[in-house]
Amino acid sequence: QKEVEQNSGPLSVPEGAIASLNCTYSDRGSQSFFWYRQYSGKSPELIMSIYSNGDKEDGRFTAQLNKASQYVSLLIRDSQPSDSATYLCAVNLPPMNTGFQKLVFGTGTRLLVSP
Amino acid sequence: DTGVSQDPRHKITKRGQNVTFRCDPISEHNRLYWYRQTLGQGPEFLTYFQNEAQLEKSRLLSDRFSAERPKGSFSTLEIQRTEQGDSAMYLCASSLPGLAGRYGTYEQYFGPGTRLTVT
Repeated sequence: QKEVEQNSGPLSVPEGAIASLNCTYSDRGSQSFFWYRQYSGKSPELIMSIYSNGDKEDGRFTAQLNKASQYVSLLIRDSQPSDSATYLCAVNLPPMNTGFQKLVFGTGTRLLVSP
Repeated sequence: DTGVSQDPRHKITKRGQNVTFRCDPISEHNRLYWYRQTLGQGPEFLTYFQNEAQLEKSRLLSDRFSAERPKGSFSTLEIQRTEQGDSAMYLCASSLPGLAGRYGTYEQYFGPGTRLTVT
């Protein structure tokens, strides 16, 4: 079982719709969860972090976390063509003996927003 | 802009040559990470520095790879005797330590990456 799993997509939505991106993780001890956006040929850009169960909203983005189900999601409201990118889910594994928490990424979901 | 910077942005080298990449983190960040990303995959962790100390290395980091952060500021990643399988995007990220008493708040910010092509 992969540590972080995402559907590779592509997820196609029309402009103005809500895009829903999902991610599951395997380690129940994980405490920190992140969504990164990556445009083709560019580096990942942090867009959301979430640490507690429930929803966290930031502009058009809402991250949702359910630790019991080991599930993280990202909702993008009023999707725009400029949102077309790959969205990477990342999860901090529980700390090692050194205190280091490894960040593990999923393979990403490609989102296509059509005008 | 005081984001993470990386140099060079692109590197083409012949198999067997050595290459070195540089990363300058966000100035107040004491934690620095190196990742490798290949097409269709998420970034894979390579190594981690806290100040000048290299505290973690992935099994992906073979003995041909070495990383340093001599003064706790910029870092270098060297690949010796490059192989075609080393072709990838090499990403550097930096973070502040977690807030005191708060568990795991290590938001990592990435630089633009160095794209390595080994021919």
